Amino acid sequence: QSVLTQPPSVSGSPGQSVTISCTGTTSDVGGYNYVSWYQQHPGKGPKVIIYDVSHRPSGVPDRFSGSKSGNTASLTVSGLQGEDEADYYCSSYRDNNILVFGGGTKLTVL
Amino acid sequence: QVQLMQSGAEVKKPGASVKVSCKTSGYSYTSNFIHWVRQAPGQGLEWMGRFNPNTGDAVYSQRFQGRVTMTGDTPVSTGYMELSSLKSDDTAVYYCARQFVGGLDYWGQGALITVSS
Repeated sequence: QSVLTQPPSVSGSPGQSVTISCTGTTSDVGGYNYVSWYQQHPGKGPKVIIYDVSHRPSGVPDRFSGSKSGNTASLTVSGLQGEDEADYYCSSYRDNNILVFGGGTKLTVL
Repeated sequence: QVQLMQSGAEVKKPGASVKVSCKTSGYSYTSNFIHWVRQAPGQGLEWMGRFNPNTGDAVYSQRFQGRVTMTGDTPVSTGYMELSSLKSDDTAVYYCARQFVGGLDYWGQGALITVSS
C-alpha cells in the first residue's frame, strides 16, 4: 500500500484535459512544496515532468501543469495527445528526509 | 550531458546479496544526492533511500533498514546500492536517480535483479 493515494486509472479523448490527484498528509504533500510527477511509458524508465509542485523541466510541454491544495497535489494534462498515454507517479518529500511515491495512475487516451 | 549508467542485470539465489553500481558523468558528482528506487514487475515505484556523495551519509526507507547499504566512490563518480538477504519478492528493476531541487531529474537505465533458486 503506497503512502500517497492516486486513482488507479483516468482516461480522456484527444484534445481533452484530465487531472490526476495525489493525496497525502501534513507530513508530506501538505507540509512541503516538494511534490514531483513522473511519466513512465511501458518498458521505459521514469521521466520527471513536474518538480516542486508546479515547475516544468525544460523540454516538457506546457500542456502539463501541477498544483497543490492542502494535502492533495494535482497533475493536469491539457490537450491530450496519444503520446501522453502512460503511467504517472507522484512523489513527495516527507518528514525525516524520506521520499514517498504514489501507487501510480494509468492514463488512457481514448 | 548528464548521464547515470548502471551495472547490468543479475540473477541471484535467495539469501544472497547484490551490489548495483551507478556511474555518473556530466556534472559534479558531489553536488547532488543519489536516490535508489525499485520497481517490481507490473508494480509501482518504491523509494529505497538516498545517498549524499558529499558527506557519505545515507537515509534509508524503514522497509529496507538493516538490509540495504548505499555508498559512493568519489574518484570514479559512482554510487552503489547493496541489498542483502535477498528474497524472491526483491525481484525488480533497480534505478538510481539524481536529485535536483525537490525532484529526481536524471535516471539510470535500470538494472533487473532476479532472485530465483
